[in-house]
Amino acid sequence: DTEVTQTPKHLVMGMTNKKSLKCEQHMGHRAMYWYKQKAKKPPELMFVYSYEKLSINESVPSRFSPECPNSSLLNLHLHALQPEDSALYLCASSQDTRLAGPYEQYFGPGTRLTVT
Amino acid sequence: LAKTTQPISMDSYEGQEVNITCSHNNIATNDYITWYQQFPSQGPRFIIQGYKTKVTNEVASLFIPADRKSSTLSLPRVSLSDTAVYYCLPDMDTGRRALTFGSGTRLQVQP
Repeated sequence: DTEVTQTPKHLVMGMTNKKSLKCEQHMGHRAMYWYKQKAKKPPELMFVYSYEKLSINESVPSRFSPECPNSSLLNLHLHALQPEDSALYLCASSQDTRLAGPYEQYFGPGTRLTVT
Repeated sequence: LAKTTQPISMDSYEGQEVNITCSHNNIATNDYITWYQQFPSQGPRFIIQGYKTKVTNEVASLFIPADRKSSTLSLPRVSLSDTAVYYCLPDMDTGRRALTFGSGTRLQVQP
C-alpha cells in the first residue's frame, strides 16, 4: 500500500471556526509533512515531523497547529483562519528524513480549503 | 542555499522527446536531485532521482553533468497525459533533503 490518504477532500470554514485536516499512511514511513499550495504556485513546506516529533516549522502562523498522534497519522488543526489561507493542503510521507541516499516523498491528493 | 531555476513553460507535440533543464547551485557531492510531476488538483508524484551522471527508469531519464550545477529531465515520446507541471528539487546544502519546490515548468503537450 503506497497511498497517503487525506480527509476531507474539500472543506469550507468560517473565520471563527475550528476544524482539522487528517492525513494517514500505512507504509511504515517515519517522516510526515504538511504543504500549502495556492493556485498556480508550487507547494510550500509548512511542517515536518520526524519520528513523531516536530522537526521543521517554516514560521507558520499559530492558527495552524500540527499534531502527530502516532507514526501513521498527521493532523493539522485550524483555528481563526483568514481568507488568504484558502489553498490546497497537501500531506506527504517518506521513509526517513535523516538518512543519506535516495529519498522520495509520497503525496496525498490534498484537502481543498476555502475560508469564508 | 541551493536555489533552482527552471523554464516557466514548454510546449511539445505527442511523440516528441522533451528535455527540461533545472539550474541549481551549491549542490554537495552526494546530494540528490529529485523531480516530481503534478497534475491539477492532485499531489505531486515522484518521477526520478539521482546524484550523478545518468539515471533511467521506466518513465524518464535524468542527466546530471559533472559540475552538478544543473540537471535535465528527459521524457521520451511524450503523450497528452504528460501535460503537467514538473518540479526539480535538489537536496539543500544545509543538509535538508528535497523539501523546497521551485517555480516548476508547465509542460503542454499538443496532439
